[in-house]
This record gives sequence, C-alpha cells and structure tokens, in this order.
Amino acid sequence: ETGVTQTPRHLVMGMTNKKSLKCEQHLGHNAMYWYKQSAKKPLELMFVYSLEERVENNSVPSRFSPECPNSSHLFLHLHTLQPEDSALYLCASSQDFAALAESTDTQYFGPGTRLTVL
Amino acid sequence: ILNVEQSPQSLHVQEGDSTNFTCSFPSSNFYALHWYRWETAKSPEALFVMTLNGDEKKKGRISATLNTKEGYSYLYIKGSQPEDSATYLCASDSGYALNFGKGTSLLVTP
Repeated sequence: ETGVTQTPRHLVMGMTNKKSLKCEQHLGHNAMYWYKQSAKKPLELMFVYSLEERVENNSVPSRFSPECPNSSHLFLHLHTLQPEDSALYLCASSQDFAALAESTDTQYFGPGTRLTVL
Repeated sequence: ILNVEQSPQSLHVQEGDSTNFTCSFPSSNFYALHWYRWETAKSPEALFVMTLNGDEKKKGRISATLNTKEGYSYLYIKGSQPEDSATYLCASDSGYALNFGKGTSLLVTP
C-alpha cells in the first residue's frame, strides 16, 4: 500500500451526470496531484495543489473541477463529461511541490478510478 | 528529445532471463529521473529516484543507471520472475512536474 487511497475504483456515468472522485493521503504530504491516463498515452498531469492552493492547471477543460479542502483530501468534480473523457484517473501526493529536485522525494500514487462516460 | 521515450513498448521473457529497458529524456532542465513499477489494478510503486550523472541504484534484482549528459536511463532486471510482470514507467523531473513515458510492459512466463 502506498498510503494514498481513491474512491470509487470504478465509475460509469452519463454525459449529463455530476459525480466526484475522492482521494485521501495518509502520509502527511503537502502536495497532491490529479493525473489522467488515456489508452496508449502516458500519464498526463491535470492539477497540482500545494498546501491546499492550486499551483498548476494544465489547460484542463472546465468540466473537470478540482477541490482541495485540506492537505489530506483531494476531489475531482465531474460535470457534463464527454465519452472521450473515459480514462483512468490517478491521484498522487508528495512531501512538497517543486522541491522534488532537492531531495529523493517522489510521488506516491493511488490505485486510480476507472471512469467510463456513456 | 522533447518527450520522455521508453523502449521497448513491450517485452516477453522467460523466467530466469535477465532483461533491460531504456528511458530517454530531455537532458535540458533536468533535475531527477524516477522509475515506477505498475502492476495491473494496483498503484504505481516508486522504485528509484536518481539525480546525478553516473548514478546507479539497486533494489534486489532490479537496478538502474543514469546518464544525464546524453539523456538516458537503463533499468535492469536480473533473473526475471513471473512476479516481475508489470509496466515499468520512467518520468523526468523538471523540478516543477513529472513528465512520464508510456512505459514498458514486461511479461515473464514460467
């Protein structure tokens, strides 16, 4: 176990639904991340939060809305998604953001949520 | 090289074989190179983080080397076992974000 949990593990939703993905880390880390992995593509960074403030948004459509209420929890709110948004969504955490280069710190990943949009 | 490239895309070896894969990354704006092991339906697991040119890291039968001047890293597995079957990801760390390759999918059969 990496200390990062995600729920649900699988989600099927229609294009008009609203749903949320949840991530929780039990490692005392200060930075949390959302990644997307589509078929045959590398992991793509979506959002980064450091000390509960968003520091990176990689041109992600507004139908994806992140929320970080505290340093242990991260949500991804989904609204009016498209079938092409079907993918594996991974959450990760690290001790600090933009400090990876100064230590051997790495990112710890959850198992992901497999999302299917019908 | 603008992106992180991994080769081969997939690999099938017999139990007991030794194997290796390659990760190529941009040598500019380089801070660290990360290797992960990712089994199906599980979380990616961190294997190594390397920062210095010439770094070598080892964990059991798995080892990795780093060449930052030419922008590549090798991952070696000695005496592959079926439990080594997984996707091996590398990621280049710019000090701001991790840029991942597509991974090498390894299958080890008895």
